[in-house]
Amino acid sequence: DQQVKQNSPSLSVQEGRISILNCDYTNSMFDYFLWYKKYPAEGPTFLISISSIKDKNEDGRFTVFLNKSAKHLSLHIVPSQPGDSAVYFCAASVYQGGSEKLVFGKGTKLTVNP
Amino acid sequence: KAGVTQTPRYLIKTRGQQVTLSCSPISGHRSVSWYQQTPGQGLQFLFEYFSETQRNKGNFPGRFSGRQFSNSRSEMNVSTLELGDSALYLCASSLGSSSAGYTFGSGTRLTVV
Repeated sequence: DQQVKQNSPSLSVQEGRISILNCDYTNSMFDYFLWYKKYPAEGPTFLISISSIKDKNEDGRFTVFLNKSAKHLSLHIVPSQPGDSAVYFCAASVYQGGSEKLVFGKGTKLTVNP
Repeated sequence: KAGVTQTPRYLIKTRGQQVTLSCSPISGHRSVSWYQQTPGQGLQFLFEYFSETQRNKGNFPGRFSGRQFSNSRSEMNVSTLELGDSALYLCASSLGSSSAGYTFGSGTRLTVV
């Protein structure tokens, strides 16, 4: 049962254009959503997050949008740069068994072409 | 400050053997979580330890176990290794209060042959 889904395994965009990465979830109990970025041979690094009570959070070139009714969130990167090429993981936080637990999607590989 | 350190970085084991992976969290972080990353399944939660107690566990067989020491360092053990256990094992540490504070290590790449 996959509670967090990233349906696009890969995405390719031109430098300077917008990158939009999508994520769907099924569990209404998720209270926090996060995006992580991962380069090969490195661990994921935290990028941006959003609380379930908000619908938008912005940090520089990165903006996350949350549509609770659709159980959908997206990450916008504007403008995209070649250094943004990485695998992006969507994650959702749920309080379970006495602690917070992160549930991850399978990731979307973003390639930004110069 | 030093990040999350995982050792070893790479490991090759034979089916049926057991393996122990180590994770040293960021100083002051008391929560350590372990994840398995495979190409087809993404990151899957294994377990989380806080102050030497396992607080949460994912849907993995009993062959996967872990522990945390008084200095917050954590180990995970996999017994009777199977080919399907080949994966990148990631450790993340946090203060224990917010998922946004998770810092991941670079992982241990385990290959079972």
